[in-house]
Amino acid sequence: QVQLQQSGPGLVKPSQTLSLTCAISGDSVSSNRAAWNWIRQSPSRGLEWLGRTYYRSKWYLDYAASVKSRISINPDTSKNQFSLHLNSVTPEDTALYYCARDNDISVAATKGGFDYWGQGTLVIVSS
Amino acid sequence: DIVMTQSPDSLAVSLGERATIKCKSSQSGLQNSNKKNCLAWYQQKPGQPPRLLIYWASTRESGVPDRFSGSGSGTDFTLTINSLQAEDVAVYYCQQYYSSPLTFGGGTKVEIK
Repeated sequence: QVQLQQSGPGLVKPSQTLSLTCAISGDSVSSNRAAWNWIRQSPSRGLEWLGRTYYRSKWYLDYAASVKSRISINPDTSKNQFSLHLNSVTPEDTALYYCARDNDISVAATKGGFDYWGQGTLVIVSS
Repeated sequence: DIVMTQSPDSLAVSLGERATIKCKSSQSGLQNSNKKNCLAWYQQKPGQPPRLLIYWASTRESGVPDRFSGSGSGTDFTLTINSLQAEDVAVYYCQQYYSSPLTFGGGTKVEIK
């Protein structure tokens, strides 16, 4: 059974960096089929995909244009986890942040969509 | 970016009746090279992350009751909940995974009439 456990602060000051970690159990961040995603949810933006990392002989990163200049998603194979760093945050970045697994993004994928999610972390950007 | 538009925003259905939710893609065709529609449906209850219900537009995720069904192709997709149960009260989202950035619909809130 795959489990994703999120950790990180729930309050970040404006202009600082939001950092969250998603620890994986039951799968590997280095899986050659899955992709590891960060998604946020807010009343104003709804569900917004932020980006993903995945391994296919080398590491790939894929970010949403809306945050591309501020985001970094980093895999950590030694701890089997991946992290989100979003810098220069503003109150508009206040949201519920989720990590999620995309089971298989290969051309021959037998399944699609985000099948496992972290529990969510409410991050408030405020001084 | 592919914009996913859901309708209605909310609906109230009597217990045991059918709920129908629509999702329209701004791009014609979400089919991958294997002719599969890259469209998923999720259910979200308060205080919980979304739960995957349907992928490939019509394939039920393991453990999802068979009263949930998905259909459609091209730009128009539908989630149908047959014989609505009290535990189906939730917000439902569609999502395309055909191309990056991955995008979600705005959600449809289903309530009991």
